[in-house]
Amino acid sequence: GNSVTQMEGPVTLSEEAFLTINCTYTATGYPSLFWYVQYPGEGLQLLLKATKADDKGSNKGFEATYRKETTSFHLEKGSVQVSDSAVYFCALKKAGGTSYGKLTFGQGTILTVHP
Amino acid sequence: DGGITQSPKYLFRKEGQNVTLSCEQNLNHDAMYWYRQDPGQGLRLIYYSQIVNDFQKGDIAEGYSVSREKKESFPLTVTSAQKNPTAFYLCASSIDGSSGLYNEQFFGPGTRLTVL
Repeated sequence: GNSVTQMEGPVTLSEEAFLTINCTYTATGYPSLFWYVQYPGEGLQLLLKATKADDKGSNKGFEATYRKETTSFHLEKGSVQVSDSAVYFCALKKAGGTSYGKLTFGQGTILTVHP
Repeated sequence: DGGITQSPKYLFRKEGQNVTLSCEQNLNHDAMYWYRQDPGQGLRLIYYSQIVNDFQKGDIAEGYSVSREKKESFPLTVTSAQKNPTAFYLCASSIDGSSGLYNEQFFGPGTRLTVL
């Protein structure tokens, strides 16, 4: 079946540091890939997405590239801010078939950014 | 403003009691979903509904029940049969239930359920 694996957290960085959160997936076919962010006490918000190999999703300074050869979708940001402190979820949606829009999530990575 | 509302934000229940979590959306979305979030485990799908009067079990449906009598509402009942109900529950919706690549799911703010 489909699965998503994220790097273990928590991740603690100083402001303006470079961020990488690793995400790898297992799926048949050609899934769409997503990064969601959850701020404390809130629901999830879509951060970025990519729908085919070599696509780069980007938003709010975050980027992730769909790498089919390594089945990865690592999240990066060049300079993090305190306001980026949140939980980040990698997810996939399998295209086609009878998946009914189901998202498969990774376990989440807690990011804390200190001033 | 369009969006998804969940109520209450915090809910306490005594062991052995059923409890119902509310989820309402005014986005005119056909599909709605319930997820459970536990620390370090990501989100797991409980139930989903592609259209009014229809719903399907997700990965962890045991001990839960749902109804979809109206397009905008998808309440979740946590029954006494759910062995470990303490968790954060998230409701989501999307335009339809297809696996379309641009079919984004929008999430509500969640309800934290604690069993005493």
